[in-house]
Amino acid sequence: DARVTQTPRDKVTEMGQEVTMRCQPILGHNTVFWYRQTMMQGLELLAYFRNRAPLDDSGMPKDRFSAEMPDATLATLKIQPSEPRDSAVYFCASGLGTIHTGELFFGEGSRLTVL
Amino acid sequence: GQQVMQIPQYQHVQEGEDFTTYCNSSTTLSNIQWYKQRPGGHPVFLIQLVKSGEVKKQKRLTFQFGEAKKNSSLHITATQTTDVGTYFCAGSFGTASKLTFGTGTRLQVTL
Repeated sequence: DARVTQTPRDKVTEMGQEVTMRCQPILGHNTVFWYRQTMMQGLELLAYFRNRAPLDDSGMPKDRFSAEMPDATLATLKIQPSEPRDSAVYFCASGLGTIHTGELFFGEGSRLTVL
Repeated sequence: GQQVMQIPQYQHVQEGEDFTTYCNSSTTLSNIQWYKQRPGGHPVFLIQLVKSGEVKKQKRLTFQFGEAKKNSSLHITATQTTDVGTYFCAGSFGTASKLTFGTGTRLQVTL
């Protein structure tokens, strides 16, 4: 049963520390999305990759966040330095996009708490 | 920027009552998707609508895409407690473009 795998599931860290979240998309999918979910802001798009190329990261705070796809089986989202306002659930989703975006399959999320 | 708004934010119904959530965009959408997120869970895809005026049904759920492709709705007939969760619409504004999620409607169903 193919699924998107995210690690870690839960992370508690102190302000100023570096945080790296990892995502393994479903094999064969060509699109990867990173979303951040908070009660106040809902699901915010942070980054979008198609065929490993970054297409849109306009929703991502560039000074502290970075997103990469070093290969087709791994997407990473890094926060350095982390701040309490970064506390949220971070979802990775992958899909098989053609002309239309297509169904997205979400991972179970990484819950980040920055103290 | 391109935004997708949803109303209502929250709805509480008695089991057996109907429920509708509405999704609106100021810009024409190329397609719209609907997702359901259970409490503590992750969003799960329900359906994608592409054509103007399209209507699709899944058992008690009916999805519509407006004629102008700027709005959409999800209607649940005779809600059940298993329908509890947050329903999100998500739209694309061009071909092969990113998916922008609406603000979501949280549905609570009581007996």
